[in-house]
Amino acid sequence: DAGVIQSPRHEVTEMGQEVTLRCKPISGHNSLFWYRQTMMRGLELLIYFNNNVPIDDSGMPEDRFSAKMPNASFSTLKIQPSEPRDSAVYFCASSYGYGYTFGSGTRLTVV
Amino acid sequence: GIQVEQSPPDLILQEGANSTLRCNFSDSVNNLQWFHQNPWGQLINLFYIPSGTKQNGRLSATTVATERYSLLYISSSQTTDSGVYFCAGSNSGNTPLVFGKGTRLSVIA
Repeated sequence: DAGVIQSPRHEVTEMGQEVTLRCKPISGHNSLFWYRQTMMRGLELLIYFNNNVPIDDSGMPEDRFSAKMPNASFSTLKIQPSEPRDSAVYFCASSYGYGYTFGSGTRLTVV
Repeated sequence: GIQVEQSPPDLILQEGANSTLRCNFSDSVNNLQWFHQNPWGQLINLFYIPSGTKQNGRLSATTVATERYSLLYISSSQTTDSGVYFCAGSNSGNTPLVFGKGTRLSVIA
């Protein structure tokens, strides 16, 4: 298995632009998590899905953030409009039961 | 929610030295994992260890669930062990892991 695949690896965008981050979980995993990592706040959960259904999005910082999981093999995290304070590394992880596998992350820079 | 405290926050070791990293939880967890984030940012799952002891090469981990803490042992450290070590826990397999702030380890030759 290729693991959890995230794209793009790096994204630089201007403030106000829409940003879409993508994640392909491991086949057979039924839970998917989006985390954000910053120096100040560490790794924080944004949203997670079980069997493609969003369960808890209380970690999504604002209405500017949205996430979807239209099927078991694909999820997106969208920021619209983006702001400089959204700059961070965004990780997607998937699991079946207890073991988590993380993707390589997307480093987002909003200028 | 669960609070996770890790200590020490930073650690510098000479190559070949041993170390112990600690993780305390504010509440009982039945899903406890240790991760290593390498200098390139990749998060690698080291152990799933809600209780007991496990070993994998030079790394081992022990969790005392009744006292809500876990320890990660690194023996004969190597420069490739450098990075940040995170522990994380949750109440079940389907609820998200809550991460500690990590221990940043630097192993120098």
